Amino acid sequence: GAVVSQHPSRVICKSGTSVKIECRSLDFQATTMFWYRQFPKQSLMLMATSNEGSKATYEQGVEKDKFLINHASLTLSTLTVTSAHPEDSSFYICSAPGTSSYGYTFGSGTRLTVV
Amino acid sequence: RKEVEQDPGPFNVPEGATVAFNCTYSNSASQSFFWYRQDCRKEPKLLMSVYSSGNEDGRFTAQLNRASQYISLLIRDSKLSDSATYLCVVRTPSSGGSYIPTFGRGTSLIVHP
Repeated sequence: GAVVSQHPSRVICKSGTSVKIECRSLDFQATTMFWYRQFPKQSLMLMATSNEGSKATYEQGVEKDKFLINHASLTLSTLTVTSAHPEDSSFYICSAPGTSSYGYTFGSGTRLTVV
Repeated sequence: RKEVEQDPGPFNVPEGATVAFNCTYSNSASQSFFWYRQDCRKEPKLLMSVYSSGNEDGRFTAQLNRASQYISLLIRDSKLSDSATYLCVVRTPSSGGSYIPTFGRGTSLIVHP
């Protein structure tokens, strides 16, 4: 079935640095990628939707300049957390519509800790 | 009001019990409904899609009630391995005209011996 490969799975970075998270669709083309953030014991909150060949659509309250999204090709979407702060520490996960009409395929998630 | 609402639980049940979760959604234009399972610190995995006529997969039964805007998941003969968070996902129309997957906060299930 469709697989989305997400890297890194875990990252610890210093406050003020930037972190890039990659999601690659394997064996299928993902023209759309959804980026979510999940805080402990809370639901996945959609941050933005990236579309290959056009600008990402950000949800209300999500800073475009802080969370840079690039959908470079039909198989790669990246999220860069710029000037990370401890409050950005969270579980970030990407998801693409699967190859069938139903369901979504998720990356394995990235646990970001900013110290 | 949140677009997709679930009782967070936890539901604490003994092995072999039958347990049911409900999920309500606010946007009547929503299409496509799913139940996902998420284990601690892992990504969500599709458990089953929910069809208008209701559908069953082994011990799991999903139902959709469009008039009342809720979906349900029934788990029969609970196993210890069923312990997880169950996420309700609804494809809702966005302001841009496309549909996006919207998640409930999840219902925690703990099955004990």
